[in-house]
Amino acid sequence: QSALTQPPSASGSPGQSVTISCAGTSSDVGGFNYVSWYQQHPGKAPKLMIYEVNKRPSGVPDRFSGSKSGNTASLTVSGLQAEDEADYYCSSYAGSNIGVFGEGTKLTVL
Amino acid sequence: EVQLVESGGGLVQPGGSLRLSCAASGFAFSGFWMHWVRQDPGKGLVWVSRINHDGSGIGYADSVRGRFTITRDNAKNTLYLQMNSLGAEDTAVYYCAREAIPFGLDCWGQGTLVTVSS
Repeated sequence: QSALTQPPSASGSPGQSVTISCAGTSSDVGGFNYVSWYQQHPGKAPKLMIYEVNKRPSGVPDRFSGSKSGNTASLTVSGLQAEDEADYYCSSYAGSNIGVFGEGTKLTVL
Repeated sequence: EVQLVESGGGLVQPGGSLRLSCAASGFAFSGFWMHWVRQDPGKGLVWVSRINHDGSGIGYADSVRGRFTITRDNAKNTLYLQMNSLGAEDTAVYYCAREAIPFGLDCWGQGTLVTVSS
């Protein structure tokens, strides 16, 4: 169960778009459509932003979108806003009741 | 209001044991899969364990399998994590979380800090 691979950092200016990648294997990301993304502000619990690759829970702005190609999932944040600055984690089901998180990406809004 | 409240964290010596609890309220606890996730101070999230509605379906991360046991008491609306043979690498904030959609954790507790140190 190796952690999914994410870039340690990403950045963009207000109004711009940024995409964060999440690389796994055929045993996790590539094998199931159960990829989720979480936002975590300092000192706070994580918040679910995307589930089942590209679905948004109610209340999450449509500026947040998800996708997957092969063994790599992606989170795109469009129209960046200051409050989007946070850590972002992907996660995936890996079969047999096992889950795995990504290493995390710190998103900075310049 | 949907709420998860963890308790039971603290300082424990290497090789020791600890049991974490997660009290659920505001929703039908018995209808949801539940998870434990941990986070080393200043580091990333690490998935620990998952349990289905009635405890018949369970999964563990390799790093804790054989040492940690997840259970639940639906009558008490409470999730547990029994942690044995603790090592320094188990030092972390432990969160419980509700799975609303397959592996989509939509509700998290505030976390409880476990420190393993002599």
